[in-house]
Amino acid sequence: DAGITQSPRYKITETGRQVTLMCHQTWSHSYMFWYRQDLGHGLRLIYYSAAADITDKGEVPDGYVVSRSKTENFPLTLESATRSQTSVYFCASSERMNTQYFGPGTRLTVL
Amino acid sequence: GENVEQHPSTLSVQEGDSAVIKCTYSDSASNYFPWYKQELGKRPQLIIDIRSNVGEKKDQRIAVTLNKTAKHFSLHITETQPEDSAVYFCAASMVSGNQFYFGTGTSLTVIP
Repeated sequence: DAGITQSPRYKITETGRQVTLMCHQTWSHSYMFWYRQDLGHGLRLIYYSAAADITDKGEVPDGYVVSRSKTENFPLTLESATRSQTSVYFCASSERMNTQYFGPGTRLTVL
Repeated sequence: GENVEQHPSTLSVQEGDSAVIKCTYSDSASNYFPWYKQELGKRPQLIIDIRSNVGEKKDQRIAVTLNKTAKHFSLHITETQPEDSAVYFCAASMVSGNQFYFGTGTSLTVIP
């Protein structure tokens, strides 16, 4: 589990600000994912990436931007944060469609 | 896309009893079905998974069964212990695909 990290672990920001959540994995996994977790909704996929420079939308991509210039990093940016984006964000990685390994999560509060 | 439904949303059992959580999926092409356990404030972690060429898989007190015809799979926990208390998520994907589809989770409470 130490092979996938997220930063920051906690973040408080204000409506309209840009926020970037970082995700780093050391396994050289091809796939990386961003989920948000809200009560009653489980884990919802925001974006995923099958390889460096390849990204695609998930279930709830609006308001988010991702990039993946290096295999090990997959940052998630909220271009103009809204209160509805208050959530816990999990990054995950996997080699093909096998076991997903989740990062420790980032708890984001938008005031 | 795939739609995974999970029931029940909450489950309370007495310590030592069994717990069963059920999931259904919609896409017959799905062929990989993992289960994750998430303790309070922690990350989800894989506890068991099953592929479509297998009907049942066991690992100590946990087991997963798969019925491809009916498109449902279940998690069975026997001899439950207080440390089994957590939220459990099922998921479905295609090994050749690129997304995992998660159920909405089951909050299991084991009463000592």
